[in-house]
Amino acid sequence: DADVTQTPRNRITKTGKRIMLECSQTKGHDRMYWYRQDPGLGLRLIYYSFDVKDINKGEISDGYSVSRQAQAKFSLSLESAIPNQTALYFCATSEGQGANEKLFFGSGTQLSVL
Amino acid sequence: LAKTTQPISMDSYEGQEVNITCSHNNIATNDYITWYQQFPSQGPRFIIQGYKTKVTNEVASLFIPADRKSSTLSLPRVSLSDTAVYYCLVGDLPLTGGGNKLTFGTGTQLKVEL
Repeated sequence: DADVTQTPRNRITKTGKRIMLECSQTKGHDRMYWYRQDPGLGLRLIYYSFDVKDINKGEISDGYSVSRQAQAKFSLSLESAIPNQTALYFCATSEGQGANEKLFFGSGTQLSVL
Repeated sequence: LAKTTQPISMDSYEGQEVNITCSHNNIATNDYITWYQQFPSQGPRFIIQGYKTKVTNEVASLFIPADRKSSTLSLPRVSLSDTAVYYCLVGDLPLTGGGNKLTFGTGTQLKVEL
């Protein structure tokens, strides 16, 4: 079983719809992250959380929101999806402190907004 | 935020040793150097991390010169399954409350052929 699980794996939605991407982890890590990946742009950080109820914006948080109600779960919402939010989304957890932090990623959710 | 520069792509053949060099001229004293591997449609996977000199694990070696302004990931005897994108990351205080972030660039696409 995967340590970091994302659901769904694929999602197609229409412009203006609200959708939620789910992430759960069994690693017992406090820190969780959401990234998006676009072809040729690498991974960009959307939001991150260091503990339950702690929420921090990443570099591209506009148009997204997150919820961290439990240590093991971190959900990402698109309030009103738009086509340029079509991307591959990754959830990650991390262990370690300071500069030697290590990330553990889920398998990703491919989102298409029509 | 420490910026990294690595080749966009590299080609190799099975059985050869592959060395991918990453430049990080403005690395800070507290920064570690971390490499991740990503296969298509999967999340990045931690490969190796180091601070100085040489680090070796079952997957790769990481060579870091004394000035730490560059690092080289060495993959011994690559196979077809090593075809992936390799990311070099250097963190300021990655993902801590200070707001600094590990950033993923576009990485190096390694292609291994028969």
